[in-house]
Amino acid sequence: KQEVTQIPAALSVPEGENLVLNCSFTDSAIYNLQWFRQDPGKGLTSLLLIQSSQREQTSGRLNASLDKSSGRSTLYIAASQPGDSATYLCAVRPDSNYQLIWGAGTKLIIKP
Amino acid sequence: NAGVTQTPKFRVLKTGQSMTLLCAQDMNHEYMYWYRQDPGMGLRLIHYSVGEGTTAKGEVPDGYNVSRLKKQNFLLGLESAAPSQTSVYFCASRPPRDRASDTQYFGPGTRLTVL
Repeated sequence: KQEVTQIPAALSVPEGENLVLNCSFTDSAIYNLQWFRQDPGKGLTSLLLIQSSQREQTSGRLNASLDKSSGRSTLYIAASQPGDSATYLCAVRPDSNYQLIWGAGTKLIIKP
Repeated sequence: NAGVTQTPKFRVLKTGQSMTLLCAQDMNHEYMYWYRQDPGMGLRLIHYSVGEGTTAKGEVPDGYNVSRLKKQNFLLGLESAAPSQTSVYFCASRPPRDRASDTQYFGPGTRLTVL
């Protein structure tokens, strides 16, 4: 059974730092992996989607990498800003179906 | 273009009461999903639909029923609410199977408390 883990559960860093969020999954048979952002009281917003054949995707200050063989993905945030404060979730879509398997998220706080 | 909307935003129920959560999307998406989110856990899929008139069970379907009578609406029903159903419920939708459009679009959530 696919399991997705995100460590740490919470992270607090000063503004301006570069940081890395981690996501690991137990079964490498994935179709794709996504990173989402969740703001308090709001829904989730997709940030980056990496197909199984890709190694990384970039959007602005965000860069997501995927290493299927080791079951890991990282979300790199450059030059962090207070507006980046949110919970970041990763989700994998298995090869076998359309359902997403979710991590519990990392709550990120960027201190001004 | 409102995207995905959910009604209501908050609700408090007593054990044994029933209610229906409404999800509506105006993007003409085929697929729709209902998730629950509990503290310290990832989202868990309750039910989903791959098109009008179809529904299927997800990971945690017990205690819930759904209907997809219209393409734009996906209803989640609780027939007899239990405290274990206290959670935040999210609805999502996505276009048909398309490698470039695998992203799900989420509503703002419904916070449900069952006393």
